[in-house]
This record gives sequence, structure tokens and C-alpha cells, in this order.
Amino acid sequence: DIQLTQSPSSLSASVGDRVTITCRAGQSIGNYLNWYQKRPERAPKLLIYAASTLQSGVPSRFTGSGSETDFTLTISDLQPEDFATYYCQESYSSRMYTFGQGTRLEIK
Amino acid sequence: EGQLVESGGALVQPGGSLRLSCADSGLSFSEHWMHWIRHVPGKGLEWVSEINLDGTTTDYEGSVRGRFTISRDNAKSTLYLQMNDLRVVDTAVYFCARGPPPQYCTTTRCYINWFDPWGQGTLVTVSS
Repeated sequence: DIQLTQSPSSLSASVGDRVTITCRAGQSIGNYLNWYQKRPERAPKLLIYAASTLQSGVPSRFTGSGSETDFTLTISDLQPEDFATYYCQESYSSRMYTFGQGTRLEIK
Repeated sequence: EGQLVESGGALVQPGGSLRLSCADSGLSFSEHWMHWIRHVPGKGLEWVSEINLDGTTTDYEGSVRGRFTISRDNAKSTLYLQMNDLRVVDTAVYFCARGPPPQYCTTTRCYINWFDPWGQGTLVTVSS
């Protein structure tokens, strides 16, 4: 199985800040990496697919980058609704899709 | 595009069974691979199972293989997950989700995968 390690596990930030979350894969996965936002009591929401493509309807303050083993999700100009848990997910391994352990973004 | 609505979650004893349903209100259910994913309380997301366009290809996460069965009824735009021999560790919120748009998939595989949209989830609690 491909392991995904997110860092940090949690972070605190203020409205208007810029934050970066990292996802490291245990082996090269090309650009087969997606990012999701999970708010309490809400369905997970796809933010970024194929490492850097913004899903339709997602604000442009979310950006994804990286390839092979190292990926980042950057959120600029944090808004109150952005405080949530973020997960990366790989789709390189056919039919065994692994998620990272999550990064909890809290209000400072 | 339509919404996904899960149902069927409940409190069940270890060894029991449940069948989850996921109704798709959109018009393109039969054009998408479908997935079940669960969120364990206090932990992260875990992919559970997938099914291809016509239900002829399925796959499962290792710990549920042999106990869970995914299926679909394209005429009813509904996805199912039959869960047998439930264990305490299966306690989670279960989400259904669509795979990528049709241009990325064939009947036999998707060339890239992501999950969008997701339903609101249904809670399965396995406890004595």
C-alpha cells in the first residue's frame, strides 16, 4: 500500500493568513493526488484533483502543487469557513485508494 | 448534477448485518463509477469499496473483503452496500461518492480517480 503522510497534523491560523499543508507519498505517484476539505457534520468536498487542478466552484485561494512524492495545499487569505480538516488522497494505486491522516486547521 | 443521499445506517450488534443505500438524484448515475468511503470517529477517511459502470467489476478494502458487497441498480440510480458480520471496528459514518467524469473511465478502469460529490453520510454503529 502507498503511505501518505501529512504535515502538520494540526495548525492554528487567523483569518487572512496564508497556510501550507504538505502531503508526502511513500513512493512516486506522479500527479495522482487529490485534496479534500472535511468540516464537522458536512460531507467531504473535493478541492484539488490531479495535484494542481482546482475543482469547479472551489475558490481560487486554494492552490495545489507538487508531483511524484511531495505535494502541497496552500490556502491564501483564510476565511472563517476554511477552518476544517484537510485530507490528501492518492489514486496511483489502482483500486486501493489511500488517504492521508488529515491536517486539522483551527482558528488561532 | 444531482445529489447523493445515503440511508440505512443504524445501531447493530457485532456479527449483525446492514444494507446501506445511496440514491442519486442526478441524470448520469450509470455513467459513473461509484464508491463507498467511511470516516471513523476521531480518525480519518478510509476507502471501502468501488463498483464499475454496469456492476460487473467491484473491489474492496482488505478488512471488509468477503464481508461487504457493493452493488448498484442503474434503473433506480441507487448504490448499495451490504455489510455482513459487522465488527466494532466497522463503526463509522459511511459516505457514497461518485468517481470522475465519464471521459476518464471505461467499463474496466478509470485512468485517474477522485471522489466528487459525496453524500451527507449515514452512521453505522456496531456495539453490544
